[in-house]
Amino acid sequence: GDSVTQMEGPVTLSEEAFLTINCTYTATGYPSLFWYVQYPGEGLQLLLKATKADDKGSNKGFEATYRKETTSFHLEKGSVQVSDSAVYFCALSDRWSGGSNYKLTFGKGTLLTVNP
Amino acid sequence: DAGVIQSPRHEVTEMGQEVTLRCKPISGHDYLFWYRQTMMRGLELLIYFNNNVPIDDSGMPEDRFSAKMPNASFSTLKIQPSEPRDSAVYFCASSQEETQYFGPGTRLLVL
Repeated sequence: GDSVTQMEGPVTLSEEAFLTINCTYTATGYPSLFWYVQYPGEGLQLLLKATKADDKGSNKGFEATYRKETTSFHLEKGSVQVSDSAVYFCALSDRWSGGSNYKLTFGKGTLLTVNP
Repeated sequence: DAGVIQSPRHEVTEMGQEVTLRCKPISGHDYLFWYRQTMMRGLELLIYFNNNVPIDDSGMPEDRFSAKMPNASFSTLKIQPSEPRDSAVYFCASSQEETQYFGPGTRLLVL
């Protein structure tokens, strides 16, 4: 079945450092890919998404490119801030032809801590 | 829009008691999902509904768990009887396409 593998961390960075969180996936079809972020004590919220190969999703300085050839969707940010400290989840949609199914498959999450 | 609303936000109960968690999805969303999050197991999908009909309940841990969606604006997740290993944060999410919108969660502690 479909699966998502992401680096588990934790990742600790200093403010203004470059961030990469790796995510690779396995899917039988052509999924959409997502990054969700969970701040302490809150629910998950969508950070960015990409729906087809070579699409780049971006939001709040974060970017990720849908790479079909490497089945990857790595999250990057050029300069992290203390306020970016959170858990980041990579996910894919579970669609099949002839119908729609909006179940998401999530990775295990990566805890990011940014120190001042 | 108020977003997905969950209640209660925190629940502390004793083993053996019945627990009912509630969720109001975003208006117009016809998919509703229940998740459980723990440190050990991460985020697990328990059950999801489409147009108030349960589509996949394969993630429900055991018969002690049940979920209903009597109408488009309300769903419940019930645990009866509760056990300490049910302690977790339970999230409800809704969608009308691929992007799911999560509620703030209910933090459940079973003593």
